[in-house]
Amino acid sequence: QKEVEQNSGPLSVPEGAIASLNCTYSDRGSQSFFWYRQYSGKSPELIMSIYSNGDKEDGRFTAQLNKASQYVSLLIRDSQPSDSATYLCAVKILTNNNDMRFGAGTRLTVKP
Amino acid sequence: DTGVSQNPRHKITKRGQNVTFRCDPISEHNRLYWYRQTLGQGPEFLTYFQNEAQLEKSRLLSDRFSAERPKGSFSTLEIQRTEQGDSAMYLCASSPWTGLPEAFFGQGTRLTVV
Repeated sequence: QKEVEQNSGPLSVPEGAIASLNCTYSDRGSQSFFWYRQYSGKSPELIMSIYSNGDKEDGRFTAQLNKASQYVSLLIRDSQPSDSATYLCAVKILTNNNDMRFGAGTRLTVKP
Repeated sequence: DTGVSQNPRHKITKRGQNVTFRCDPISEHNRLYWYRQTLGQGPEFLTYFQNEAQLEKSRLLSDRFSAERPKGSFSTLEIQRTEQGDSAMYLCASSPWTGLPEAFFGQGTRLTVV
């Protein structure tokens, strides 16, 4: 089992819709969870972090964490074409000295 | 301090040559990570430093790869006897020890082995 798993997509949504991105992780002791956005040819950019169960909202982005299910998600409301990118889920793995592992990423396309 | 800085941005080398990349983390970030990323894949963990101590190294990392962070500030990643399969983007990220453990990436070094 991979440490961090994401649906590779591609995920396509129309402009203005809600995009839902999902991620599962294997280390039950993990405490820190992150979503990064990566445009083609660029480095990952941190957009959300979440540390406790529940929802965390920042503008059009909402991160959701369920530690019991070892599941973290990202919702993007009112999706815009500029949101088209690959979204990477990252988890700090407690059993590995807290180093950070990434999923393979989900490619999102928002169609005008 | 404008963020994590990586040099060079691009490197083209012949197979068999050695290459060295440098990463300057955000000031006062004592955690530093190296990743490798190929097209269509997520960043693959290579190694991790806390201050000058190398705490974790990927089992996938061959002995041709070595990383250092001698004074707990900048870090170097060296690849010896490069192979075409080493062609990738090499990413460095840093995060603080205290406060929110959010990691920020540099712009990466794109390596092409010909």
